[in-house]
Amino acid sequence: SQQGEEDPQALSIQEGENATMNCSYKTSINNLQWYRQNSGRGLVHLILIRSNEREKHSGRLRVTLDTSKKSSSLLITASRAADTASYFCATDAFWNKLTFGTGTQLKVEL
Amino acid sequence: DARVTQTPRHKVTEMGQEVTMRCQPILGHNTVFWYRQTMMQGLELLAYFRNRAPLDDSGMPKDRFSAEMPDATLATLKIQPSEPRDSAVYFCASGLVSVDRGNTEAFFGQGTRLTVV
Repeated sequence: SQQGEEDPQALSIQEGENATMNCSYKTSINNLQWYRQNSGRGLVHLILIRSNEREKHSGRLRVTLDTSKKSSSLLITASRAADTASYFCATDAFWNKLTFGTGTQLKVEL
Repeated sequence: DARVTQTPRHKVTEMGQEVTMRCQPILGHNTVFWYRQTMMQGLELLAYFRNRAPLDDSGMPKDRFSAEMPDATLATLKIQPSEPRDSAVYFCASGLVSVDRGNTEAFFGQGTRLTVV
């Protein structure tokens, strides 16, 4: 079963624009992570935000976490065609069980 | 360059046959996850281990699936007998969990693409 749900399911933007993806989850968490998956490949870790943090940055990535609303967002600024991929949130919850959301398919067009 | 290695990368088998998928986690990692990915269900957690002990396998159909870690360098996922609905990509991931900080990032293998005909 999925712990998280993401929206939108699919997002298409132009290169240079910002992309925002949202994740909602159900239970208390230790931390929340975002991963990227290129077609046919394994997932790659992008960023981790702990339950006591509200915002975190890494390069062109900005993640926010609102534990009262059980939600997180991932912002990719100045998107590039190479950012085209699926993006997943994952929650580290009870017993450090790492479960993934449904994913957002991002397409960045030239 | 440390990475998670999964074998085989692709497997086509007939319904009813046994399938064994193998995973070599990154040395020093204490947690191993098995996931199944399909278009319909997304990424499902099947089972996970901490220090080779199973913590949760509630995501697995118990009658046909089994997961083990015979040693720290090998995790296996078996399906017996396999069915067409088991067709999916199976991912193994490993990571390091500490008591005070929880999970750090999980490193994924390239997956085993299973087709049951």
